[in-house]
Amino acid sequence: AQSVTQPDIHITVSEGASLELRCNYSYGATPYLFWYVQSPGQGLQLLLKYFSGDTLVQGIKGFEAEFKRSQSSFNLMKPSVHWSDAAEYFCAVDPFAYGGSQGNLIFGKGTKLSVKP
Amino acid sequence: SQTIHQWPATLVQPVGSPLSLECTVEGTSNPNLYWYRQAAGRGLQLLFYSVGIGQISSEVPQNLSASRPQDRQFILSSKKLLLSDSGFYLCAWSVSGNYEQYFGPGTRLTVT
Repeated sequence: AQSVTQPDIHITVSEGASLELRCNYSYGATPYLFWYVQSPGQGLQLLLKYFSGDTLVQGIKGFEAEFKRSQSSFNLMKPSVHWSDAAEYFCAVDPFAYGGSQGNLIFGKGTKLSVKP
Repeated sequence: SQTIHQWPATLVQPVGSPLSLECTVEGTSNPNLYWYRQAAGRGLQLLFYSVGIGQISSEVPQNLSASRPQDRQFILSSKKLLLSDSGFYLCAWSVSGNYEQYFGPGTRLTVT
């Protein structure tokens, strides 16, 4: 079945440490890929997206993500985490992007990031 | 610039009561509109989407319905709430033909 997997439910990192959040998808073709961030009790904010081209994409707040076709992965990274990065992060895909999608995103279950001082 | 509003922000309703959640978008025309539900530990579930006035597609059969009476207004309703309807409801919009979705602040619904 088509799915988006975020294998880590909860990650804790120290402030200033590097971060990598994992995302894997299972679709036949390369979908459009997104990372969103959600602070407690808030809506989701788009961090970055990948449609095509350079497989390393830059986003807001110092985040970047790398698309690896061979691994069906789109991992989110940040070289130095700040306390304000504590939030929940969602990977999402649009699996029908090449087929006239209505924009029906499929979301992973999220990874909660805690930051230690 | 575009903004999206949802109200109410929080809602506590008894089982069996009706529901109406409203979402409005400003600063754009003919957006695609979406309703999601977020339950704890379960990510986001797409409930409904709409590509135009009166055009609603349902992704998951359930106790809820949606309507789009105006171009930038999207309403989520229920005639009789169930305990399982509790959750965080998010409205989102996108530009038709674009793939990025922009989310509202959400409504926390607790059914008691």
